[in-house]
Amino acid sequence: EPEVTQTPSHQVTQMGQEVILRCVPISNHLYFYWYRQILGQKVEFLVSFYNNEISEKSEIFDDQFSVERPDGSNFTLKIRSTKLEDSAMYFCASSGGGNELWEYFGAGTRLSVL
Amino acid sequence: ELKVEQNPLFLSMQEGKNYTIYCNYSTTSDRLYWYRQDPGKSLESLFVLLSNGAVKQEGRLMASLDTKARLSTLHITAAVHDLSATYFCAVDKGYGNKLVFGAGTILRVKS
Repeated sequence: EPEVTQTPSHQVTQMGQEVILRCVPISNHLYFYWYRQILGQKVEFLVSFYNNEISEKSEIFDDQFSVERPDGSNFTLKIRSTKLEDSAMYFCASSGGGNELWEYFGAGTRLSVL
Repeated sequence: ELKVEQNPLFLSMQEGKNYTIYCNYSTTSDRLYWYRQDPGKSLESLFVLLSNGAVKQEGRLMASLDTKARLSTLHITAAVHDLSATYFCAVDKGYGNKLVFGAGTILRVKS
């Protein structure tokens, strides 16, 4: 069964460092998303991406965040200068559009900022 | 702004009992989803509900949707320990639109 793949599963970084979280969406999907979940809290939308551009972003997704689809398969989230409050689980998701109803979530990357 | 509220936020149940989780949302939405999350894991899709009166069942879980009341319910029948998890409802407004999640209901089923 096709799945969304995220790497790494756990990333530890120092405050102020740049991190790149990587995702490989399901191959024929058209819409891509990043969400985050701070420990014990609900899942929050960060950004959606379609047709090689951001279609929507939340207030969390400030200038420190960027997304990119550098080739036909990868979808990345970059945080330029990490803060302690960026520590969370980051989920990538993709959906196909058309008759595809679901957003499929990856297993997540746990980001720990020290 | 679309808001989603779930209750209860925490539910401790005895095995064999029935209970219902409620999900209210604030504005018209195209689809309502139920996801399950085990600790430290990703989100597992359970149900998607599209239309008023929709009802879906899988094992001991049954989800329903009332679009007029902007309410979905997740009913648990004869709970078993394996159902212990956090359950999220989420809504969106169509293809390519973000999912807005409720706060989640932590379900603990005790033997």
